[in-house]
Amino acid sequence: NAGVTQTPKFQVLKTGQSMTLQCAQDMNHNSMYWYRQDPGMGLRLIYYSASEGTTDKGEVPNGYNVSRLNKREFSLRLESAAPSQTSVYFCASSEGANQPQHFGDGTRLSIL
Amino acid sequence: QKEVEQDPGPLSVPEGAIVSLNCTYSNSAFQYFMWYRQYSRKGPELLMYTYSSGNKEDGRFTAQVDKSSKYISLFIRDSQPSDSATYLCAIRANSGYSTLTFGKGTMLLVSP
Repeated sequence: NAGVTQTPKFQVLKTGQSMTLQCAQDMNHNSMYWYRQDPGMGLRLIYYSASEGTTDKGEVPNGYNVSRLNKREFSLRLESAAPSQTSVYFCASSEGANQPQHFGDGTRLSIL
Repeated sequence: QKEVEQDPGPLSVPEGAIVSLNCTYSNSAFQYFMWYRQYSRKGPELLMYTYSSGNKEDGRFTAQVDKSSKYISLFIRDSQPSDSATYLCAIRANSGYSTLTFGKGTMLLVSP
């Protein structure tokens, strides 16, 4: 069982470049989430999609956009990358809006 | 005061020890409690999920919730080197749709 799959696993960008992080889940879950994890800061929610066709801002949405492409896929886009966006990004999904979340293994993003 | 507080550790114990990991929270609206385990360079993995005060047991793991004190614990019996990881508590409220609030995690090291 693949669960939640994130691509790419690693990426290095230059300041100002754009990039889309991909996430797909094969558990038929309705809700999907994007987090960033930084040392000393813990996991912080960037955006979430409670169901297909809806997206909402989380705690730290500035500098990011999301697209819920279909029930399986939820992408995160950095339009103009900044060094402050260097982080590990995790995608998660849950069966319903208030069910436990299941995480992918992350994308490690460095912005120079 | 942070919504969820968790000692970052590291907590070092010998193999076979009983481990106690703890979180405190400030918002009495929090009603659902989760523990995640995160190995290095991996995504968080759901260990325990509970919504009531008292104890919930699963193998060597016991989750304990004291809502009156706003205090949750995870006990690991007969700890193994493979339990070495970072443990995250996650909490959410019961009203409508609400997102998870994560603790920053406690690093556990179990030595053979």
